[in-house]
Amino acid sequence: KAGVTQTPRYLIKTRGQQVTLSCSPISGHRSVSWYQQTPGQGLQFLFEYFSETQRNKGNFPGRFSGRQFSNSRSEMNVSTLELGDSALYLCASSLKTSGGSNTGELFFGEGSRLTVL
Amino acid sequence: QKEVEQNSGPLSVPEGAIASLNCTYSDRGSQSFFWYRQYSGKSPELIMSIYSNGDKEDGRFTAQLNKASQYVSLLIRDSQPSDSATYLCAVNAGGGNKLTFGTGTQLKVEL
Repeated sequence: KAGVTQTPRYLIKTRGQQVTLSCSPISGHRSVSWYQQTPGQGLQFLFEYFSETQRNKGNFPGRFSGRQFSNSRSEMNVSTLELGDSALYLCASSLKTSGGSNTGELFFGEGSRLTVL
Repeated sequence: QKEVEQNSGPLSVPEGAIASLNCTYSDRGSQSFFWYRQYSGKSPELIMSIYSNGDKEDGRFTAQLNKASQYVSLLIRDSQPSDSATYLCAVNAGGGNKLTFGTGTQLKVEL
């Protein structure tokens, strides 16, 4: 069974540009979450999508946005990039969506490492 | 105040010993608790989940939860060099798959 696939794996952008990251979840997983990981802040929740709807959102500015397609694939976009946006962006998929004892059991992709110059 | 706190380490234990990793959380409404392992340069992987007070064992790993004390721990028995990694404690208080992570404890198992 294929894991979570994220593209691109590495990218370099300059301040002010925008970036789009893509995530394909494990087959059958309908929930996709995005996290930002930095050395100083650790893993921070960005947003979660299920059935093309955003279900949860973290404390990030509106420059960070996302969407989910009917095949459960997801994209996130960061506009007007800032130096502080340099981070590893991790996508995670889950079989469970809400309630029940398995919520929070995430399968992470390898991440997209963004460097903003 | 951080919502999920862990000692950053490094925690060094000899091979074969028991490694004890601890985590405290601030939201009393938290319902689900997880331990993820992250090797250097890799993404996190789930190793344990626990939802009720007490102990939960899975192979060499035991997760312990005390909601009254807002405390979660992970014990690794017979530690191996391959257990050397950063261990992330995560808590779900809001439902869905929104997790709050601690900053992780680096574990080093020495030969």
